[in-house]
Amino acid sequence: DAKTTQPPSMDCAEGRAANLPCNHSTISGNEYVYWYRQIHSQGPQYIIHGLKNNETNEMASLIITEDRKSSTLILPHATLRDTAVYYCIVANFGNEKLTFGTGTRLTIIP
Amino acid sequence: DGGITQSPKYLFRKEGQNVTLSCEQNLNHDAMYWYRQDPGQGLRLIYYSQIVNDFQKGDIAEGYSVSREKKESFPLTVTSAQKNPTAFYLCASSVRAKQFFGPGTRLTVL
Repeated sequence: DAKTTQPPSMDCAEGRAANLPCNHSTISGNEYVYWYRQIHSQGPQYIIHGLKNNETNEMASLIITEDRKSSTLILPHATLRDTAVYYCIVANFGNEKLTFGTGTRLTIIP
Repeated sequence: DGGITQSPKYLFRKEGQNVTLSCEQNLNHDAMYWYRQDPGQGLRLIYYSQIVNDFQKGDIAEGYSVSREKKESFPLTVTSAQKNPTAFYLCASSVRAKQFFGPGTRLTVL
């Protein structure tokens, strides 16, 4: 699976949009981008995934660049409960084995 | 309520003792996983199972053992051969690479 690079930490003001970047320059054609988050001392939670089109669900939006070498997770109106570590993972759709890196620690500031 | 349960939440053991961590799911998922997380680190895969009666080693299987006799259950045994067993252990199940995690067991070896 392709490797991903994320900033170690970010801050965002409460109520603003949080934009979390991820680089995956070695992504191959059949690999998807997955985002998970982990709130302190809990198990990670699935957020969203996509192949090449932008995706949106009730939690977030995922924007993937046209060359698929990077993506951005957008939390449109961040709340204090969005403070967590966010993991960007690249994997084949049929490959059930995911590799979690160290992610981005997002802190929402009141 | 569908989901993954892990018990207990906190576990204390003396050095040299084997200990078994429980993981049960009622999501009817074929694939199940065990991860280990150390403070400030990402998740590392210990073992995974894609079907009943079959499992594979992950990245850090030494000192651990698993069984998969039933679809719903995937217990992990931390043996005395594991050099540094104190950690946060997470179990997950998945469908189409979307993983669902349990609440975790925090194991402390004294």
